[in-house]
Amino acid sequence: QAALTQPRSVSGSPGQSVTISCTGTGRDVGGYNYVSWYQQHPGTAPKLLIYDVSKWASGVPDRFAGSKSGITASLTISGLQPEDEAEYYCASYGGTYSLVFGGGTKLTVL
Amino acid sequence: QITLKESGPTLVKPTETLTLTCSFSGFSLATLNMGVGWVRQPPGKALEWLGIIYWDDDQRYSPFLNRGLTITKGASENQAVLTMTNLDPLDTATYYCAHTTYSGYDVFFDYWGQGTLVTVSS
Repeated sequence: QAALTQPRSVSGSPGQSVTISCTGTGRDVGGYNYVSWYQQHPGTAPKLLIYDVSKWASGVPDRFAGSKSGITASLTISGLQPEDEAEYYCASYGGTYSLVFGGGTKLTVL
Repeated sequence: QITLKESGPTLVKPTETLTLTCSFSGFSLATLNMGVGWVRQPPGKALEWLGIIYWDDDQRYSPFLNRGLTITKGASENQAVLTMTNLDPLDTATYYCAHTTYSGYDVFFDYWGQGTLVTVSS
């Protein structure tokens, strides 16, 4: 499956900022402003954080911010908190009425 | 408040057919622009989108899945059904259903079920 490319892991200390990248192609991330981000804690269902590149889902704090440049989308988490430790997935419209997810990034809060 | 819950077998034999039901409340698949999608996650691996059904019976499927997959409305307007044929051990995963609102190419899931683990093994 042609998944979007994410770093396997990132880390940061409480209060710091981290950025998770999500790289696709011109046929998915680069071609449309339809990127979303999900947070998943172990053993739980994913939770929508960001949609349409930079719009916040209901109840999501603005410490989470989405952006995109070319074929790479990014999720920046500022003011890291211990509860932010989780797996993060990006997703994008992938053409031909399909949705493609990234491989996931494990965020460790040191 | 929207809630969803998946139900179905936890163990399926190779080559058999899997049928999962998503029962939900807080919206109806008879309502304009409502949709239900399915996403799966093999143990320790990434999310994989499977498909979506919308209120108007529009169905969209992953072009990467080499299995017979069908998503339909259930017996009531508050159910969606996933059917996957000729299962393989590689189909072992937690299967999630999730709510979406139709917006053309734009697809994102704002409410998710708790997921159900399906193991494919003889």
